[in-house]
Amino acid sequence: DIVMTQSPDSLAVSLGERATINCKSSQSVLSSSNNKNYFGWYQQKPGQPPKLLIYWASTRESGVPDRFSGSGSGTDFTLTISSLQAEDVAVYYCQQHYNTPRTFGQGTKVEIK
Amino acid sequence: QVQLVQSGPEVKEPGASVKVSCKASGYTFTNYVVHWVRQAPGQRPEWMGWINIGNGNTKYSQQFQGRVTIIRDTSANTAYMELSSLRSEDTAVYYCARDREGSSGYGAFDYWGQGTLVTVSS
Repeated sequence: DIVMTQSPDSLAVSLGERATINCKSSQSVLSSSNNKNYFGWYQQKPGQPPKLLIYWASTRESGVPDRFSGSGSGTDFTLTISSLQAEDVAVYYCQQHYNTPRTFGQGTKVEIK
Repeated sequence: QVQLVQSGPEVKEPGASVKVSCKASGYTFTNYVVHWVRQAPGQRPEWMGWINIGNGNTKYSQQFQGRVTIIRDTSANTAYMELSSLRSEDTAVYYCARDREGSSGYGAFDYWGQGTLVTVSS
């Protein structure tokens, strides 16, 4: 199974400041056939299902604010929230969809400082 | 608009089975894969398996092999997940989710059901 490891486990950021979350996969999720990273980021608020923010590592899902951006390739990925808003308080998960079982990171809790 | 609506909460005794439904609307049901994911309290989501709605093919996580069955009823636009031999560790919220890459099954999960809490307790 591909193990997904996020860092940090939690972070507190001031409103309007940048938040950065990292995720590392135990093996590459980059496909040599189509040069796509089978990797996504989700946001989960209490009592709600996860919400897809980013897929193919850097493509923003429709309706997601442009302050959210994804980068990285192969085994190392980053989610950046460029200017943290109060509504961004949540737990963020990374996920690989390269093979089965699909696996998620342990989550990063983002709070307001 | 795309919606996945799941059945209500369940309380089961250890050793019993539970069947959760996921009714889809707002898109062509047979053109997509549906995944099942569970999440225990305070834990990361855990993938259980998928079903290709069009042809009925399934793939299950080894962790649940032999205990989980995923089926679909295309006439009702509904997918089902049944988990047997329940134990206390199966207490979790169970979600269905659509694969954004259609029938390939190798996309991210773009729409999710609201979740179904399954509690296993004697």
